[in-house]
Order: sequence, then structure tokens, then C-alpha cells
Amino acid sequence: GDSVTQMEGPVTLSEEAFLTINCTYTATGYPSLFWYVQYPGEGLQLLLKATKADDKGSNKGFEATYRKETTSFHLEKGSVQVSDSAVYFCALILANAGGTSYGKLTFGQGTILTVHP
Amino acid sequence: SQTIHQWPATLVQPVGSPLSLECTVEGTSNPNLYWYRQAAGRGLQLLFYSVGIGQISSEVPQNLSASRPQDRQFILSSKKLLLSDSGFYLCAWSAWGETQYFGPGTRLLVL
Repeated sequence: GDSVTQMEGPVTLSEEAFLTINCTYTATGYPSLFWYVQYPGEGLQLLLKATKADDKGSNKGFEATYRKETTSFHLEKGSVQVSDSAVYFCALILANAGGTSYGKLTFGQGTILTVHP
Repeated sequence: SQTIHQWPATLVQPVGSPLSLECTVEGTSNPNLYWYRQAAGRGLQLLFYSVGIGQISSEVPQNLSASRPQDRQFILSSKKLLLSDSGFYLCAWSAWGETQYFGPGTRLLVL
């Protein structure tokens, strides 16, 4: 079945450090890929997405490139801030094989990021 | 623009009591709707999804049920809560199986 694997956390960085959170996936077909962020006590917010191979999603200084050859969608940011402290979820979605409008979103287990001043 | 609401934000309920969580979406028509549960320190588990009024699909067998009485209303219910039902419940919507947008969540504690 489809699955998403994220790097083990938690990740602790100093402000202005470089961030990479690894994400790899297995899927039958060509999924769309997402990164969601969850700040403490809140719901999930879409951070960025990519819908086909070699697409780069970007938002708020974060980037991720859809790599079909390595089945990866690693999240990167050049200089993290304390306000980036949150849980980050990698996810994929595939349309139902029967062509219906339902798409099942499969999540990774989440990576906790803590940024210290 | 579209917005998604959930209430209540927090709920403390005794074991064996009923549950009703509500989710409503504004600014779109005929959305796909989803209920997820996030247990403490863990990822998200899809509980139910709906592609239209009265159409509910369950992903995992459990003590919960869902209903969609109106196009933009999705309700999560239980007749008798268990301790294991505690968690953070998230509602989400999407258009035609694409990007899902999440509500603020309801934190449920069953004592």
C-alpha cells in the first residue's frame, strides 16, 4: 500500500541554522505530495505542495522538490527561526483507482522541530 | 474564500457519555469532508470521509460514527465514549480529492 516515511525526530536547531527534514514515499501511480505544519495546539496548515515530478513547492522560505527517481520530497529551509518550531507532516494523495473524486491523504508520522534562540 | 469551523474547541467527557462534534465549511459547494484523529504524540489517522450528503465511508472499525446531514456539515458522534477515544479530532475539506484543508481541531479528553 501507499506509505510515507519521515526522518525520526525530534529535531533541535539553533536560530538561523539550515533545516532538512527527509521524506520518502511508496505509492502505486503518481501521487501529489504535501508538507503540512502543525503549530502547538492548532490544526494542520498546508505549507507547500508539488503535483508532479521535478516540481518544487515553496512557501515562507521552505522548499521541497518532488524527486520521482528517489521517491523523495525533502523539506528544506536555509535559515530557521524560533517561530518555525512546530510538527511537520509529509503526506501524499492518490486519486481512487476507480476515478472517483475521493483522494486518500496518507501522512508520515510527523517530525517535531524545535528552534532555540 | 473558504473557511472551516469546528466546535467545541475543547471537551472533557466521562466514559460512557455520548459525543457530538461538529464541522462546517463555508465558501464552497459539494466539498469532500474528512474526520481525522490524532492521538497524543502520534500521526493522523483517517476515520471517515464523505463525498456527498448522506454518503459516509469508514476507514477503521471503531466506537465512532459520522453523518453529513447538509452539504457543508459533517458530524462525528459516539453513543458511549471510551477512554481510548481521547485525542485531537481534525476535520478537513477538499475539492475533488486534491489538497485537504484542515480545521482548528477539537481536543477531547475522556475521563
